[in-house]
Amino acid sequence: GENVEQHPSTLSVQEGDSAVIKCTYSDSASNYFPWYKQELGKRPQLIIDIRSNVGEKKDQRIAVTLNKTAKHFSLHITETQPEDSAVYFCAAGRSGNTGKLIFGQGTTLQVKP
Amino acid sequence: NAGVTQTPKFRVLKTGQSMTLLCAQDMNHEYMYWYRQDPGMGLRLIHYSVGEGTTAKGEVPDGYNVSRLKKQNFLLGLESAAPSQTSVYFCASRWHIGTQETQYFGPGTRLLVL
Repeated sequence: GENVEQHPSTLSVQEGDSAVIKCTYSDSASNYFPWYKQELGKRPQLIIDIRSNVGEKKDQRIAVTLNKTAKHFSLHITETQPEDSAVYFCAAGRSGNTGKLIFGQGTTLQVKP
Repeated sequence: NAGVTQTPKFRVLKTGQSMTLLCAQDMNHEYMYWYRQDPGMGLRLIHYSVGEGTTAKGEVPDGYNVSRLKKQNFLLGLESAAPSQTSVYFCASRWHIGTQETQYFGPGTRLLVL
């Protein structure tokens, strides 16, 4: 079946460093790739997304890159801050269809002050 | 505008008991989803609905049933709860216009099956 693999499962960085989370998807028809952030005890919230017709997208300190050939996409957070500490989920889906998303297993990011 | 709400917030069940989780959204969204979240496994889709009166199976539908009698409500039922259904359940509704979309999640329901 369709699958999204996410790595690493945990990531610890010093405040101010960069963090990179990587995902690989199996469904070649996927064309929509969102990233969700879930703070402890809270609900997941969309932080950025990218579509298959774009290779990179930036929003302030976060950016996402997509390599369709390799079926691989990544989240980059620069100048990390303690409030970036959370669980991050990548997902893949076919936009415009049912909206179904397949989520990765999640990455727990800890930013040490 | 409350967004997506879920009731109850927490529940303890005994094996074999039944219960219904309620999800409500006030954003007039057509699409709604039920996920379960387990440690190390991300969010897995249980069932979803693309509009009032419609439901469909997701990745892990066994042991669950759903209904969407009203556009704003999406109910998840467990007919005979099992310990393997201990999880945190999230409901979501989807907003989309053109190429833009977002799934808005509810606060979650923590379920413990003994």
